[in-house]
Amino acid sequence: GDSVTQMEGPVTLSEEAFLTINCTYTATGYPSLFWYVQYPGEGLQLLLKATKADDKGSNKGFEATYRKETTSFHLEKGSVQVSDSAVYFCAPQRRALTFGSGTRLQVQP
Amino acid sequence: SAVISQKPSRDICQRGTSLTIQCQVDSQVTMMFWYRQQPGQSLTLIATANQGSEATYESGFVIDKFPISRPNLTFSTLTVSNMSPEDSSIYLCSVERNEKLFFGSGTQLSVL
Repeated sequence: GDSVTQMEGPVTLSEEAFLTINCTYTATGYPSLFWYVQYPGEGLQLLLKATKADDKGSNKGFEATYRKETTSFHLEKGSVQVSDSAVYFCAPQRRALTFGSGTRLQVQP
Repeated sequence: SAVISQKPSRDICQRGTSLTIQCQVDSQVTMMFWYRQQPGQSLTLIATANQGSEATYESGFVIDKFPISRPNLTFSTLTVSNMSPEDSSIYLCSVERNEKLFFGSGTQLSVL
């Protein structure tokens, strides 16, 4: 079945630092790829997605590019804010989502 | 976007009892998904619920333990039966609309 390997957390950064959260997956075929975010005390929210190779998903300053060759979908942001502190989940999807283990991001002022 | 109302938001239950979690969606959807997030672990898909047919369960989950109802296109329930402390988790329902997935706010279950 599908599986996801996600960068372990917690990741602690200072405000305005550059963020990368690595995600690689194994799946049959070419699934759609998603990043979800879970802010403290809230449910999951879709952050961004990409549906085919070389697509770049972007939202709220976050970006991730669908790399078929390396089966990766790394999440990046050029300048993080305290409000970005959350848990981030990488998830390929065919019929349903397969979630990575989640990476907790803590941004300090 | 889709609005999903999930309840209860949290509960504390005794071993051996059952809890039913409800999810109400603001409009009709074909598929509803139920996930579990155990403490410190990733989200795991429990089952997919389609209206008018039996739910499809993932490996490691069975209908006797997690019976699901889907009486119409806007509503579903998940029951956690004969609970044990190992069932303490966050349970989430999810729907797909326009190629996007939306999640309920989750039910935090603690089993004593």
